[in-house]
Amino acid sequence: AQSVTQLDSQVPVFEEAPVELRCNYSSSVSVYLFWYVQYPNQGLQLLLKYLSGSTLVESINGFEAEFNKSQTSFHLRKPSVHISDTAEYFCAVSELSDYKLSFGAGTTVTVRA
Amino acid sequence: DVKVTQSSRYLVKRTGEKVFLECVQDMDHENMFWYRQDPGLGLRLIYFSYDVKMKEKGDIPEGYSVSREKKERFSLILESASTNQTSMYLCASQTVPTYGYTFGSGTRLTVV
Repeated sequence: AQSVTQLDSQVPVFEEAPVELRCNYSSSVSVYLFWYVQYPNQGLQLLLKYLSGSTLVESINGFEAEFNKSQTSFHLRKPSVHISDTAEYFCAVSELSDYKLSFGAGTTVTVRA
Repeated sequence: DVKVTQSSRYLVKRTGEKVFLECVQDMDHENMFWYRQDPGLGLRLIYFSYDVKMKEKGDIPEGYSVSREKKERFSLILESASTNQTSMYLCASQTVPTYGYTFGSGTRLTVV
């Protein structure tokens, strides 16, 4: 079975600074990888995903994540954050043969002016 | 856009009560899921369903059951609510794995 580790539970960052959220997974087979974002008092929204092909994937709001198979990682980055990026971010993995997602514990990003 | 609607945003129930959490999706998705979200633990899968009248246990099914009588509706049932079931409950639906999940906005349940 797959599992996900998010290495940072809290990441405080100043506005316009870069941010990186780290995610490692374990699985014995090929996987799909996802990042979800949860804004305060809301459900989770899909931010971006890796299915196959190019290892660098991007979202429409400036986030990117890179799949590294040898390190079993899928770190999320943004070069310049805004106050509105304050949220909790979840990394998730599913094996290709499975419908279920396994989630990490989440990383809370707090952006300060 | 796919919509997943959870009937209650906040619920307060007493210990021992039978509690029903309802979830409805409007895009004919086959797969539906119930998770609970707790600080520091992320999301943990309670039950899921691949089709009408089908259900499978997730990682933490104890104390819960589910019902899927119609494709669009997936209900989570707490047979006898306990204080350790105080949590945020999230419903999700999915058509195929490559699309990921669409989540509802969650039900925050407090058991007193």
